[in-house]
Amino acid sequence: EVQLLESGGGLVQPGGSLRLSCAASGFSFSNNVMSWVRQAPGKGLEWVSAISTTASGDVTYYADSVKGRFIISRDNSKNTLYLQMNSLRAEDTAVYSCAKDGAERALDNWGQGTLVTVSS
Amino acid sequence: DIQLTQSPSFMSASVGDRVTITCRASQGISSYLAWYQQKPGKAPKLLIYAASTLQSGVPSRFSGSGSGTEFTLTISSLQPEDFATYYCQQLNSYPKTFGGGTKVEIK
Repeated sequence: EVQLLESGGGLVQPGGSLRLSCAASGFSFSNNVMSWVRQAPGKGLEWVSAISTTASGDVTYYADSVKGRFIISRDNSKNTLYLQMNSLRAEDTAVYSCAKDGAERALDNWGQGTLVTVSS
Repeated sequence: DIQLTQSPSFMSASVGDRVTITCRASQGISSYLAWYQQKPGKAPKLLIYAASTLQSGVPSRFSGSGSGTEFTLTISSLQPEDFATYYCQQLNSYPKTFGGGTKVEIK
């Protein structure tokens, strides 16, 4: 059974940093593209970032809204996905979920998410 | 970036109704589209990928169609457990944008 468990959320002041983790199990982690998706309170889904592992190394992708501030990474030896979030803004307040790519690039498994609140 | 426009954003329907939700892409995305269902406080659930392929375990009353820029999700006979918010997502290129969502409520 695929399991994705996020951690690391919490309350942080504007301009602060936070690192989220996503512990994966039940599938071949290193062979799958992994993504972060967020959902602000009462709002829709927003794709944030993705990472794939290739023979040449990891390839990363970002939404314009987080580019230059967030860094996605993975440790395939620990089956763990990370999201380093810097220069946080109030508009980054959301539940952040990790998700696994499945057939035809769709997100076929999701974690329950971790809440990040950016407020003074 | 590719923009996805869902319509309607809200609908009120009754059990047994046939429901259709539309998703339009700002440029062609072939069949690289997925549909998700989300219930309050829960993670999204993949319903359909590649525009029309039903994810394993999803009831056959759900179906998807379309290619290029226009796509539809159809629920042939709405059941009580189908009241939720539905999202489309384009998978053609990064960033893998989502539509704004369609909330289906009980009439």
